[in-house]
Amino acid sequence: AQTVTQSQPEMSVQEAETVTLSCTYDTSESNYYLFWYKQPPSRQMILVIRQEAYKQQNATENRFSVNFQKAAKSFSLKISDSQLGDTAMYFCAFMKGTSGTYKYIFGTGTRLKVLA
Amino acid sequence: EPEVTQTPSHQVTQMGQEVILRCVPISNHLYFYWYRQILGQKVEFLVSFYNNEISEKSEIFDDQFSVERPDGSNFTLKIRSTKLEDSAMYFCASKKDGNQPQHFGDGTRLSIL
Repeated sequence: AQTVTQSQPEMSVQEAETVTLSCTYDTSESNYYLFWYKQPPSRQMILVIRQEAYKQQNATENRFSVNFQKAAKSFSLKISDSQLGDTAMYFCAFMKGTSGTYKYIFGTGTRLKVLA
Repeated sequence: EPEVTQTPSHQVTQMGQEVILRCVPISNHLYFYWYRQILGQKVEFLVSFYNNEISEKSEIFDDQFSVERPDGSNFTLKIRSTKLEDSAMYFCASKKDGNQPQHFGDGTRLSIL
């Protein structure tokens, strides 16, 4: 069975600084996808970034980038130039890539607070 | 941009009562999901639905739970006889095809008294 671990329950960062949220996972699958979702106080979970396991290149979306270390089963999220609007709960999620239900396995989340 | 919508946003129900949580997935999506998040805990998978049938359910999804897609647009989660421990945020999600990301609704906060 797959597991996802987020070891930082809470973090804070000064506005304009850089912060890294960690995520590790355990799986015997070779074909899978990893995601970071953001859940602001308004509650809806919003996709931040995705990474296909077969791609060696780390995904990047504007100020958000990942450090994907497949051998170490690590998938950290770096937020550059942090903004007040980045304050949210961040969830790491794993999805098997082979045929099936494509359900997500979530980590416990990291609550990020960006300080003015 | 199309969104997944969920109603109601908050439902308060007496223990033992039936409750139906409603979701309207994005119109051209084919895969549908329910997740729940007990306060302070992780988001947990409940059930997935594809091609008009349940494709997978978790051990949480016991005989008290059921899902339906009655009219091609709504996707409902019914809890037949609610328990105190069913109090949680319930999220509906949908996706277009296998390897695409899921899109989530705002959630329904279910409070069982």
